Amino acid sequence: DAMVIQNPRYQVTQFGKPVTLSCSQTLNHNVMYWYQQKSSQAPKLLFHYYDKDFNNEADTPDNFQSRRPNTSFCFLDIRSPGLGDAAMYLCATSMGLAGGRDEQFFGPGTRLTVL
Amino acid sequence: AQSVTQPDIHITVSEGASLELRCNYSYGATPYLFWYVQSPGQGLQLLLKYFSGDTLVQGIKGFEAEFKRSQSSFNLRKPSVHWSDAAEYFCAFMDSNYQLIWGAGTKLIIKP
Repeated sequence: DAMVIQNPRYQVTQFGKPVTLSCSQTLNHNVMYWYQQKSSQAPKLLFHYYDKDFNNEADTPDNFQSRRPNTSFCFLDIRSPGLGDAAMYLCATSMGLAGGRDEQFFGPGTRLTVL
Repeated sequence: AQSVTQPDIHITVSEGASLELRCNYSYGATPYLFWYVQSPGQGLQLLLKYFSGDTLVQGIKGFEAEFKRSQSSFNLRKPSVHWSDAAEYFCAFMDSNYQLIWGAGTKLIIKP
């Protein structure tokens, strides 16, 4: 089945220790997104790629970086995690159809714990 | 300003009772609207979407939603809820920059 896969599902890191979360998709979608979601809140968009074009949200901290080496994979790097970065990180994809007539498909998320 | 309002943070419904979750949006163009459901610790699953055409849209798991342009609303309904429907429900629309504008979510609690 075509899908969005996130690894690992649970990640524990130490304060200040870099961590990388991964996302892969078999949907061959043009757009990939990274969201941060804290408990009982809506997802917050961190950045997205349209193909190789990177789009950073204005309020995404510099501590967060992303890489998309090819269509299928996208990575979220947190350079120096703080306690406030503990959250669920969701990857999503969409075809990127013009005008917003588009649908995002979500992965199961990675739960990040910062000790 | 673009926004989605879900006025109910929590809703408690008895199993077997009907459900309506409210959603209002503010957007200067034709909205492409979505309802997503999220079970605890899980990702988001699309319940249904409205792009155009019939304003009553059917989704998965027996859900439906009605788009009312005059009221800027896209309320979600289900005639009879099951315990497995307990989850958080998010209303959203896609803007022209491929970004979803989200409501704050409504947590649905099912009473046995």
